Amino acid sequence: AQSVAQPEDQVNVAEGNPLTVKCTYSVSGNPYLFWYVQYPNRGLQFLLKYITGDNLVKGSYGFEAEFNKSQTSFHLKKPSALVSDSALYFCAVRDEAYNTDKLIFGTGTRLQVFP
Amino acid sequence: DVKVTQSSRYLVKRTGEKVFLECVQDMDHENMFWYRQDPGLGLRLIYFSYDVKMKEKGDIPEGYSVSREKKERFSLILESASTNQTSMYLCASSFITAPGQGFDEQFFGPGTRLTVL
Repeated sequence: AQSVAQPEDQVNVAEGNPLTVKCTYSVSGNPYLFWYVQYPNRGLQFLLKYITGDNLVKGSYGFEAEFNKSQTSFHLKKPSALVSDSALYFCAVRDEAYNTDKLIFGTGTRLQVFP
Repeated sequence: DVKVTQSSRYLVKRTGEKVFLECVQDMDHENMFWYRQDPGLGLRLIYFSYDVKMKEKGDIPEGYSVSREKKERFSLILESASTNQTSMYLCASSFITAPGQGFDEQFFGPGTRLTVL
C-alpha cells in the first residue's frame, strides 16, 4: 500500500541556518509528491509538487524539495530559515489505489525556527 | 486566487446533535474532499466527491455522511455527534485529472474546529 512517512515530529533550527524536513514514500508506480504548510489556525497551503522531470523542485516562499528515487525520499529544504517559517509541514503522495485524485498525507512535522 | 470557504471557524455542539459543516469553492473544481486533522495522525480522508451527487468513502467514513447537490458546495454531516468527533475538519477541492494531464494540487479551506461536549 502507498504511504508517506515523516520521521520527525519536530525540527528545530536557528534563523539563518539551512533547514530540512524529511519525507519518505512508498508507492508501486511513479510517485506524485506534494508538500503543504499549515500556519497556526489556518488551512493547508500548497508549497510545491513533484510529478516528473527535474529532481529539484522549487516552490513558494523560497522552499525547494529534492526527489531521490533510490532513497524514496522527498525532503523539503530551504537555504536560510526565517522565524516566519515556523509552522506544521505535511508531505503527501497521490493514492494509486483508485482512479481518483486522492492524496495520502504524512503525520506532519512541526518546524520551529528560533531567532 | 482559488478560494475555499467553510461555514464556521469554531463550532461547539452537544453529544447526539446533528451537525452540518458546509464548504464552498469558487474555482469550478470537480473534486471536493473532507478531512479531519488530529495531532499525531495527520490528515485523514472522510469522504470525497468527484461530481455532483457523487460521493466516495474515504478512510474513516463511519459516523459521517456527505451531500453534494451543487458543484461548488460539499457538506459534511454528523448524524449524531459524539465526543470522539471533536477535531479540526478541513475541506479541500481540486480539478479532476484528465488522461495525459498533470496531477493538480488540492486547495484547502481554513478549517472548522469542532468541539462536541
